[in-house]
Amino acid sequence: QVEVVESGGGVVQPGKSLTLSCKVSGILFSNFAMHWVRQAPGKGLEWVAVIYYDASNKFYGDSVKGRFNISRDNSKNTVYLQVNRLRPEDTAVYYCAKDGQGVGIYMDVWGKGTTVTVSS
Amino acid sequence: QSALNQPASVSGSPGQSVTISCTGTNRDIGSYYYVSWYQQYPGKAPKLIIFQVSLRPSGVSYRFSASKSGNTASLTISGLQAEDEADYYCTSYTRDNTQIFGTGTKVTVL
Repeated sequence: QVEVVESGGGVVQPGKSLTLSCKVSGILFSNFAMHWVRQAPGKGLEWVAVIYYDASNKFYGDSVKGRFNISRDNSKNTVYLQVNRLRPEDTAVYYCAKDGQGVGIYMDVWGKGTTVTVSS
Repeated sequence: QSALNQPASVSGSPGQSVTISCTGTNRDIGSYYYVSWYQQYPGKAPKLIIFQVSLRPSGVSYRFSASKSGNTASLTISGLQAEDEADYYCTSYTRDNTQIFGTGTKVTVL
C-alpha cells in the first residue's frame, strides 16, 4: 500500500525560508513524478510544483516561480519543497502527491498535508 | 494562468444525477486527454476519482463518470448519495507542462 507523509510545516516569519519533506513508501519511488499542491484556509486547491521521476524536469505554478524549489532524493524515497521569501499569502496546507506516471499527468495518491503559517 | 472555471455549487436529491462542468482553454483541456477529478471532504486530503478524462481508479464507485468536449470537461455523479456531499475539483495538464486546478464545486445532497 502506497503511503505519502509530509513534514516540515510550522509558523514562520515573512521573508524567511522553510523546507518541506515528503516521504513515500510502498512503491518504486524512482518511477514516478511527484507534485506539491497547496490549499489556503477556506480556499480551493492550487497546484504548486512537479518534479519528474528522474529529476530531469521541474515545473512551477506562476505564484511560486522563482521562490520555491522542488527536489528529490530517490535513494531516500523523499521529495522536498524549499519555500523561500515567504509571504502571508503562502499560508496554506501543503499536500504532497504521487503522480500516476513518470511525468506530471495526474495525482493519484495524496498525503494528509503539512501546515505552513506565515506570520510575524 | 487563471483557474479552470467550475460552478460554485450544485445540488440534488438522493438518487438523482448531478453534473459539474469544468471550462478551460485550448492551452489545457482542449489540447490534452489529461483531465482529472478529485473529491475532497472538509479537513481531508483530496482523493482521485477520475483520471485521463474518463478513467476510474480501482475502488471508485461506477456512479462517477466523466467526459470532455472541446475546452470543457464534465463530471457526472449518478444515483446521488449522502456520502457524495463534498467538494469536487477538476485539473488539467497544460501546454506549460504544469497542472491547473478548477475553482471547485460544492455538491450538496438535499
